[in-house]
Amino acid sequence: KNEVEQSPQNLTAQEGEFITINCSYSVGISALHWLQQHPGGGIVSLFMLSSGKKKHGRLIATINIQEKHSSLHITASHPRDSAVYICAVRSGGGADGLTFGKGTHLIIQP
Amino acid sequence: EAQVTQNPRYLITVTGKKLTVTCSQNMNHEYMSWYRQDPGLGLRQIYYSMNVEVTDKGDVPEGYKVSRKEKRNFPLILESPSPNQTSLYFCASSLIGHEQFFGPGTRLTVL
Repeated sequence: KNEVEQSPQNLTAQEGEFITINCSYSVGISALHWLQQHPGGGIVSLFMLSSGKKKHGRLIATINIQEKHSSLHITASHPRDSAVYICAVRSGGGADGLTFGKGTHLIIQP
Repeated sequence: EAQVTQNPRYLITVTGKKLTVTCSQNMNHEYMSWYRQDPGLGLRQIYYSMNVEVTDKGDVPEGYKVSRKEKRNFPLILESPSPNQTSLYFCASSLIGHEQFFGPGTRLTVL
């Protein structure tokens, strides 16, 4: 069973700062997801990646398969980025289930 | 509008009273899944389905049943709910191997 660890658990930063959230896992995977959950509970998929790097607006996700590690970066952070960010991995093939990290609670102060 | 819907959104019930939480998607996705989210434990997968009539257990299937008779629907059944099933439940769907779309969540309290 894959073990997924996220760090930090909690992060408070000032508006405009560059944010990095880390995710590591114990067993090789077929894909890694980054999810965002705002207060109120809704979950949105930000990225799915199996190699390299993806960028969407101010968000960048990278993965290093050899190191079993992924990072989510937020550039020019804004209070609306305040949310819980969750890493999830699929261990093998499209049919396998997801294993989740416990999430990183991010607060961006104006 | 492409979406995943869940009903009910909130439910308070009593121990042992069978209940069903419905999940429906309008994106023709093969893959559907149920998760529960609990403080300190995060999200955990209950059951998932790759297609009609194909279901598999996730990490925490005990006390739950699912069925996939139609591609768009994936109901979660609690035959005899217990207080430890009090949780926030999410349904999700996707094309196999692609990003998942999540429903709005169902907050269940079992007294």
